[in-house]
Amino acid sequence: QKEVEQDPGPLSVPEGAIVSLNCTYSNSAFQYFMWYRQYSRKGPELLMYTYSSGNKEDGRFTAQVDKSSKYISLFIRDSQPSDSATYLCAMSGQGAQKLVFGQGTRLTINP
Amino acid sequence: DVKVTQSSRYLVKRTGEKVFLECVQDMDHENMFWYRQDPGLGLRLIYFSYDVKMKEKGDIPEGYSVSREKKERFSLILESASTNQTSMYLCASSYPGTGGETQYFGPGTRLLVL
Repeated sequence: QKEVEQDPGPLSVPEGAIVSLNCTYSNSAFQYFMWYRQYSRKGPELLMYTYSSGNKEDGRFTAQVDKSSKYISLFIRDSQPSDSATYLCAMSGQGAQKLVFGQGTRLTINP
Repeated sequence: DVKVTQSSRYLVKRTGEKVFLECVQDMDHENMFWYRQDPGLGLRLIYFSYDVKMKEKGDIPEGYSVSREKKERFSLILESASTNQTSMYLCASSYPGTGGETQYFGPGTRLLVL
């Protein structure tokens, strides 16, 4: 079993829809949770960063962490065609210099 | 802004060739990483370095080596390229800390081995 599981999709939704992307993990030591966005033929860039449990909001994006269920989510409201990308979750534990990445979910927003 | 650059965006090499992929970061980061990214497999860590001349194996080091002679530069070496090393190679860097440090990625190098 992989340490981090992420549905690779692809996921295709109409413009304006609410998008929910999810990851599950097995290592209870993980405390830092990130979402990276990767456009086609580009490197990943950090989108959201959360420490421990709870919600974090940034514009149309909300990151949610439920450590009791070992489950993290990224919500995108009012999705736009420019949100079309691959979204990767990543996480690590206290003192860890390495990140463990999910497989990535390929998202397409249709105009 | 942190900038991570990679020497080539696209490379085509022959089986058996020695291949060098170069990565440079301009933010004085101690940590540097090499990943490969393949469809269906996600990002897999090949090697990382937490200081000059220091290196540690990642999850898939076989067939690769690395060199870090200067803090800002981290090189990935394919000693004898094989077709199964055709992939997207991504370099990243980060500050060392207590954990969860953001990694900053370069644009990637698409390597095709014929």
